[in-house]
Amino acid sequence: DQQVKQNSPSLSVQEGRISILNCDYTNSMFDYFLWYKKYPAEGPTFLISISSIKDKNEDGRFTVFLNKSAKHLSLHIVPSQPGDSAVYFCAARDTGTASKLTFGTGTRLQVTL
Amino acid sequence: KAGVTQTPRYLIKTRGQQVTLSCSPISGHRSVSWYQQTPGQGLQFLFEYFSETQRNKGNFPGRFSGRQFSNSRSEMNVSTLELGDSALYLCASSLRQPNEKLFFGSGTQLSVL
Repeated sequence: DQQVKQNSPSLSVQEGRISILNCDYTNSMFDYFLWYKKYPAEGPTFLISISSIKDKNEDGRFTVFLNKSAKHLSLHIVPSQPGDSAVYFCAARDTGTASKLTFGTGTRLQVTL
Repeated sequence: KAGVTQTPRYLIKTRGQQVTLSCSPISGHRSVSWYQQTPGQGLQFLFEYFSETQRNKGNFPGRFSGRQFSNSRSEMNVSTLELGDSALYLCASSLRQPNEKLFFGSGTQLSVL
């Protein structure tokens, strides 16, 4: 049972345009959400997070939106840069489970020139 | 501050063998968690150790085990290896605070032949 779903395995965006990566979840007990970025042969690196008490969090070019009623979150990257090309994982934390994250299967973003 | 260190980076084993992977967390971090990444499956939570005690466990068979030492370093052991155990094994450390991100190592790529 996949509790965190990233339905788009890949996404291609032109440099300078907006990248929108989507994530859906099913567990109502998730209260904290994170996005990680992963390059080949490296571990995931933290990008941005959002608590369930908020609906938006921004950090530079990255913005995460949370729609609790739809159990949906999205990551917006504006403007997209070639260095953003990587696999992006959405992750969620269940209330009280500390370091246990449930990850989606990832979306491979390709930013083209 | 040094990041999360995992050794070895690559391992090749044959079916039926056992393997031990090592993880050194960021200095001061007492929580270490382990994840398995396979193509198309995202990252699956294996277990978490904090203060030398297992705090959370994922849905993996008993062949997967771990331990944590007093200096917070952790080891993960897989016995009676199967072909399906071929994966990238990632270790993450944290302070185990609420709404805190995990810091990942580069992983150990295990191939079972």
